[in-house]
Amino acid sequence: DVKVTQSSRYLVKRTGEKVFLECVQDMDHENMFWYRQDPGLGLRLIYFSYDVKMKEKGDIPEGYSVSREKKERFSLILESASTNQTSMYLCASSPYTGYEQYFGPGTRLTVT
Amino acid sequence: RKEVEQDPGPFNVPEGATVAFNCTYSNSASQSFFWYRQDCRKEPKLLMSVYSSGNEDGRFTAQLNRASQYISLLIRDSKLSDSATYLCGRNAGNMLTFGGGTRLMVKP
Repeated sequence: DVKVTQSSRYLVKRTGEKVFLECVQDMDHENMFWYRQDPGLGLRLIYFSYDVKMKEKGDIPEGYSVSREKKERFSLILESASTNQTSMYLCASSPYTGYEQYFGPGTRLTVT
Repeated sequence: RKEVEQDPGPFNVPEGATVAFNCTYSNSASQSFFWYRQDCRKEPKLLMSVYSSGNEDGRFTAQLNRASQYISLLIRDSKLSDSATYLCGRNAGNMLTFGGGTRLMVKP
C-alpha cells in the first residue's frame, strides 16, 4: 500500500520563524513534490525533485526552499515565515515521470 | 486561460443519478490525465488514471477527447458517499497541473 507521511498535521508559527516541513515516502518513488492548497486558488506546485539532491522550481517557489538528501525524504523550508504562507501544504510522490502522484495527509500551517 | 479548468459547481444530484464533469486543458502536449477525489480537509486521493482514450472502474468512467482537449468523469448510480470535490490533473513532463476542482453533493 502506498504510504506518504508528513511530520505534522497542524503547525502554528510566528512571522519570521524558520519552518521545516518533512515528508517521507516508503514506496521507493523517484519523484517527490510539494504543493500548497488555498481556497479559490487550488493546488499549486512549489518545488519538485526527480532524484536525490536534485530539485526544480514549480509555479510558486518564492519564499521556499527544499532539500532532498535521501530518496525517501523531501523537506520544505520556509526561511522566514510570513502570514501569506498560511496554507495547507501537501507532499506527493510518484514512481516515474508522467505517472500518478500519491499525496500525504497534509500540514495545515498557520503563521501569526 | 488557465492550463486546466473545471466548473467549480456545486453539482447537486439525488442518490442514484448519473452525473458527469468535464475538465478542459490548454496544453496539447499533455501526456496523461488523472482524476482525484478530495474530501473536506483531507488530501486528494487517486480515483483514476487515463493514459489513452479512457478508463472505467465500476461506476466511474473517464473519457479523454484529445481533439477537443477535455477529459470527462462520469459517475453512475451516485451514492451519498460520492459527495466530495473531484480534481482533474494533467501531466506534461514531470509536472502535474490541477484544475480547481468540481464539488459534488449527492442528496438522499
